[in-house]
Amino acid sequence: QVQLKESGPGLVKPSETLSLTCTVSSGSISSDSSSSTYYWGWIRQPPGEGLEWIGSIYYNGSTYYTPSLKSRVTMSVDTSKNQFSLNLSSVTASDTAVYYCARHVVEHQQLIFWFDPWGQGTLVTVSS
Amino acid sequence: DIQMTQSPSSLSASVGARVTITCRASQSIITYLNWYQLKPGKAPKLLIYAASTLQSGVPSRFSGSGSGTDFTLTISSLQPEDFATYYCQESYSVPPTFGQGTKVQIK
Repeated sequence: QVQLKESGPGLVKPSETLSLTCTVSSGSISSDSSSSTYYWGWIRQPPGEGLEWIGSIYYNGSTYYTPSLKSRVTMSVDTSKNQFSLNLSSVTASDTAVYYCARHVVEHQQLIFWFDPWGQGTLVTVSS
Repeated sequence: DIQMTQSPSSLSASVGARVTITCRASQSIITYLNWYQLKPGKAPKLLIYAASTLQSGVPSRFSGSGSGTDFTLTISSLQPEDFATYYCQESYSVPPTFGQGTKVQIK
């Protein structure tokens, strides 16, 4: 059973860069299944608000970012450590959120995708 | 981006009740619709994908239906562990978008 866990600072100052890492255990970040391709994604939830997909990365480094954050987001993957990371630059208070990492599963037959499993999330507060 | 609208935003129900949550897409998404359960401090859980396929390990009291723009998540007999917030998510386009959530509370 693949498990994911987020780690990183819980407090970031405005204008600085938010950096989080997701460690994948009980499964390889580089392995797909016969029926699905696995990307690795980040999703956030500001306090009292809904969920927002930030972006996803494949183990070869291919990335897909949501347009509204694209200019500030960088994702990377370290297959040797079975980890992937998120950097969000020039943060403001509106970037305060619970940040989740999740496996982004793309099913080959229908090309439908979903997020499963997820990490339990980490709260990042942007404040001076 | 595709807009996903859930209703109601919250509901109160008793253990054993049948609960239905609706999700409407701003355009047809065929059956490219997933449902998740979120509880505070816990990892979100995928319940249903492709509108009606139950994820492995999810109790059969959960079911999903719909196609095009209108979808429903039904809990046939609400259990204490089902009190949570539920989100729909479309996977028809990139970026994928989520509904605003439906909080299911104890009556």
